[in-house]
Amino acid sequence: GQQVQQSPASLVLQEGENAELQCTYSTTLNSMQWFYQRPGGRLVSLLYSPSWAEQRGGRLTSSAASNESRSSLHISSSQITDSGTYLCAMRASSFSKLVFGQGTSLSVVP
Amino acid sequence: EAAVTQSPRNKVTVTGGNVTLSCRQTNSHNYMYWYRQDTGHGLRLIHYSYGAGNLQIGDVPDGYKATRTTQEDFFLLLELASPSQTSLYFCASRDWGEGAEQFFGPGTRLTVL
Repeated sequence: GQQVQQSPASLVLQEGENAELQCTYSTTLNSMQWFYQRPGGRLVSLLYSPSWAEQRGGRLTSSAASNESRSSLHISSSQITDSGTYLCAMRASSFSKLVFGQGTSLSVVP
Repeated sequence: EAAVTQSPRNKVTVTGGNVTLSCRQTNSHNYMYWYRQDTGHGLRLIHYSYGAGNLQIGDVPDGYKATRTTQEDFFLLLELASPSQTSLYFCASRDWGEGAEQFFGPGTRLTVL
């Protein structure tokens, strides 16, 4: 079946540093979505892309390399409040299910 | 942004008990989904629906029933709850069509003693 791999599994940053989180996919991509979650909290949609198009939102940018079946989430100037889990999810077609990665746990320290 | 609400937010029951989790979305989305989230397993799809009266089996359906009574309302039923069903449950919805964004509810924490 479709697989989504996220890396790294965990990441520690000093406040102000930039981060790059990655997702790789095992199949073709119809759309992708990045989510943020605090422990036990709701899934907050960060960025959504109906294709391989780059998306921007504040300090966040998602980019993709279709020939490598890979997408990245860039977080610039990290803040302590960015700490939490980041999940990527992809859909292979309009009618297929959203497939999630296992997440990257981000800790931003002073 | 699409609004997806869930109730209850927290529920404690005993083994063998009946539980109904409710989900409502107010954006007339066609698709609705039930997921569970567990440490080490990530998000797993239980059941989903294309519209009122429609049900589709997800990846981990055993022990769960679901019913879509209206376009807005999707219910998850645990008729004989077991401790293995202790989890964080999320409902989600999205519109029909090419590459539609998916929106999640706040989650329900279920504990089966």
